[in-house]
Amino acid sequence: NAGVTQTPKFQVLKTGQSMTLQCAQDMNHEYMSWYRQDPGMGLRLIHYSVGAGITDQGEVPNGYNVSRSTTEDFPLRLLSAAPSQTSVYFCATFDRGGYTFGSGTRLTVV
Amino acid sequence: DAKTTQPNSMESNEEEPVHLPCNHSTISGTDYIHWYRQLPSQGPEYVIHGLTSNVNNRMASLAIAEDRKSSTLILHRATLRDAAVYYCILRGRLNAGGTSYGKLTFGQGTILTVHP
Repeated sequence: NAGVTQTPKFQVLKTGQSMTLQCAQDMNHEYMSWYRQDPGMGLRLIHYSVGAGITDQGEVPNGYNVSRSTTEDFPLRLLSAAPSQTSVYFCATFDRGGYTFGSGTRLTVV
Repeated sequence: DAKTTQPNSMESNEEEPVHLPCNHSTISGTDYIHWYRQLPSQGPEYVIHGLTSNVNNRMASLAIAEDRKSSTLILHRATLRDAAVYYCILRGRLNAGGTSYGKLTFGQGTILTVHP
């Protein structure tokens, strides 16, 4: 049981490049979400999904796209990377009152 | 969304109890109180949650004030491994297709330092 798996763990992008952060879970949780954490700050919700085919925006959705074609996977797409998107990204699932977080993807945009 | 207020930092000695306070004066009747902790370079880890009554689990205890406007996370015997940032969070409710889920709004958290 791997829980929540995020790939890659580290990534450096040039401004304007696009990429997809992967998130996979093996717990059959319907709810999945993406957060970003900037230095010295708490986590902010980017997008979330309450099941396959259903997504919605969180607090800071601009510059990011998501889709949910399966229960297991919830990828986060950066359309045109900007230095302001330099952050640590966490994927999380929710079930029975508790959230399970992945170990994060550290993204640097230069 | 209702907000929480926590001290920026607290210190404790190893094997002593730690009481981490949290104020949430604008909590709504359906908000759950969650606590998570985050160790360096790791994702947040679930600690405990509750609604109205005090809660205990193997990691900690959660004491909730009668008016629910504040709560306290209690670590009964702090260890060096408990050094982390502790987040007190209110889990709101959002409905989709008749099923209730929650979204977490994180604040700054409390940095807990544990001295040997």
